[in-house]
Amino acid sequence: DTEVTQTPKHLVMGMTNKKSLKCEQHMGHRAMYWYKQKAKKPPELMFVYSYEKLSINESVPSRFSPECPNSSLLNLHLHALQPEDSALYLCASSQSRGRTEGYTFGSGTRLTVV
Amino acid sequence: GESVGLHLPTLSVQEGDNSIINCAYSNSASDYFIWYKQESGKGPQFIIDIRSNMDKRQGQRVTVLLNKTVKHLSLQIAATQPGDSAVYFCAERGSGKTSYDKVIFGPGTSLSVIP
Repeated sequence: DTEVTQTPKHLVMGMTNKKSLKCEQHMGHRAMYWYKQKAKKPPELMFVYSYEKLSINESVPSRFSPECPNSSLLNLHLHALQPEDSALYLCASSQSRGRTEGYTFGSGTRLTVV
Repeated sequence: GESVGLHLPTLSVQEGDNSIINCAYSNSASDYFIWYKQESGKGPQFIIDIRSNMDKRQGQRVTVLLNKTVKHLSLQIAATQPGDSAVYFCAERGSGKTSYDKVIFGPGTSLSVIP
C-alpha cells in the first residue's frame, strides 16, 4: 500500500458545527503532515507530527485541532470555523521527520464552511 | 518550449515541444528541493528532487537544474504530452533545526499542453 487516504473527500459544515478530517497511511511512515491549500495557491504547512507527537504548529488558530492516535492515523478536528477556512486540506506522510524523500500526499478533503 | 519568467503563473506549450518551468527560492540554507505536479482534484505528486550539492538531476523525460548562486531551480520536461497539463510546484526544505521538517512550496506554474 503506497497511498495516503483522506476522508471525507468533500465536507460542507456550518460555522457552529464540529467535524473531523481523517488521514490514514499504511506505509510505515512515522511523520505526518497537514497542509491547507486555497484555490490557485500553493499548499501551506499547518502541522507536523513525528512519532505521534506534534513537532510543528505553524501558528494555526485553535479552531483547528490535530490529533495523531497512532502511527497510521492523523485527524484534524474542526470547530467554529469561518468561511475563509474553506479550502482543500491535504495530508502527507514521510518515512520519518526530515526524510522528505518519498513524501506522499493524499487527494485532500475539500472543505466548505457556510 | 518556452521559458517563463519568475512567478509567471501560466505556460502554454505545443504537444511534443520541450517545457521549461522556472522557480526562485528564498532560503540560501535550503538543502533539498522537490518538484511536484498537481492535477485538478488531486494532491501534489512527486516528480523529481535534487540535493543542494548537485546542480543537475535527470529522470524519465524530466530534468531538474539547480543554480545556487542565483537561488534558481528549473524543471525541464521533454516531449511534453497532454497528460503533463497540471500545476507544477517547486518546494524547498530547510536545513536548520527548526526548518528541517518543513517543505515549503513556491507559488506554482500552470502548464497547458496544446494538442
